[in-house]
Amino acid sequence: QQQVKQSPQSLIVQKGGIPIINCAYENTAFDYFPWYQQFPGKGPALLIAIRPDVSEKKEGRFTISFNKSAKQFSLHIMDSQPGDSATYFCAATYPRAYKYIFGTGTRLKVLA
Amino acid sequence: EPEVTQTPSHQVTQMGQEVILRCVPISNHLYFYWYRQILGQKVEFLVSFYNNEISEKSEIFDDQFSVERPDGSNFTLKIRSTKLEDSAMYFCASSRGRTGNYQPQHFGDGTRLSIL
Repeated sequence: QQQVKQSPQSLIVQKGGIPIINCAYENTAFDYFPWYQQFPGKGPALLIAIRPDVSEKKEGRFTISFNKSAKQFSLHIMDSQPGDSATYFCAATYPRAYKYIFGTGTRLKVLA
Repeated sequence: EPEVTQTPSHQVTQMGQEVILRCVPISNHLYFYWYRQILGQKVEFLVSFYNNEISEKSEIFDDQFSVERPDGSNFTLKIRSTKLEDSAMYFCASSRGRTGNYQPQHFGDGTRLSIL
């Protein structure tokens, strides 16, 4: 119930493509879903986050789509660039929590 | 932009030895965390710390682990008697408010711990 399932494990797209990374959860108490971007040798950096009272959130080229009934959310990267090549983690947390539960990560490679 | 800093970047230790990993959280943050990431795997929660006490810990955080905020700026993770399976990247994070109140956590770049 505490798990967040993330897919795919890895993804290769051409420059300008729109990679989509999916996450699913079981615990309906989760109410905050951040996405983190991690470059090799660096810590995870917050990219964008969403609460379940909205179905979509955009920040620059990054969009989260949220389907509350299906308990799924996904990250879309518009006009992807080689500089977006990184590992992406979804995460979830719940009210009064002191932690994130992370997905297993997606290694994205954007080809030039 | 303020950031979480961790030292050392790489620590090599013999099995059975004690190790202390150090972190300087963002200065106006009140909540502190340790996570670990075994190579190629997901980021796993270890412990959270607020108001000079542990607020939550995972089953990984057993009696071999301890955390401390020895002064107003540092936050440390101690592993008393290291095991081979403690080899991982350890991340410190901090947040201004409680995670469950939509306050984002900011991560450092980690300490790679290698147990020989």
